[in-house]
Amino acid sequence: DQQVKQNSPSLSVQEGRISILNCDYTNSMFDYFLWYKKYPAEGPTFLISISSIKDKNEDGRFTVFLNKSAKHLSLHIVPSQPGDSAVYFCAATITYSGNTPLVFGKGTRLSVIA
Amino acid sequence: DTGVSQNPRHKITKRGQNVTFRCDPISEHNRLYWYRQTLGQGPEFLTYFQNEAQLEKSRLLSDRFSAERPKGSFSTLEIQRTEQGDSAMYLCASSLKRQDTQYFGPGTRLTVL
Repeated sequence: DQQVKQNSPSLSVQEGRISILNCDYTNSMFDYFLWYKKYPAEGPTFLISISSIKDKNEDGRFTVFLNKSAKHLSLHIVPSQPGDSAVYFCAATITYSGNTPLVFGKGTRLSVIA
Repeated sequence: DTGVSQNPRHKITKRGQNVTFRCDPISEHNRLYWYRQTLGQGPEFLTYFQNEAQLEKSRLLSDRFSAERPKGSFSTLEIQRTEQGDSAMYLCASSLKRQDTQYFGPGTRLTVL
């Protein structure tokens, strides 16, 4: 039973355009969401996060949107750059009961084409 | 470098052997997590510590696996009698108590022949 789902295994985008990566979750108790970026043979690198009390968080080229009613979040990268090519993982956790482990999706491989 | 470090980065072993991995968290972080990642999957939680106390274990952590965090600093993950199904990337992450973002190390890639 996957609680965090990334239904697109891969995405290809032209350099300079917008990349939109999607994530759905099933557990309504999740209240904190994170995006990580992973290069081959490296550990995940934290990108951006959002609390369930917000619906948007922005950090430079990266914006995360949260739609709690739809249990859906998305990561927007604008403009996309070739260095953004990596696997992106969505993760969720429950914070009000203490730090709980992250639950990850299976990832989306983003390829930014020059 | 003040990030999470893991050693070794790669480990190749024969089935039935024991292996031990080490994780050094970010120095002021009191929470430490172990995850396992296999091909095509996201990281899956194994266990976590707050200081030296092991607070939670996943059902993935069979009795062949043991983790320690003596003195609440570095942590070790030992796998006894390795099996081919143990081949994976083992990731360590750390965070501050009451902080929700976990920071990951580079991982240890285990290959069991």
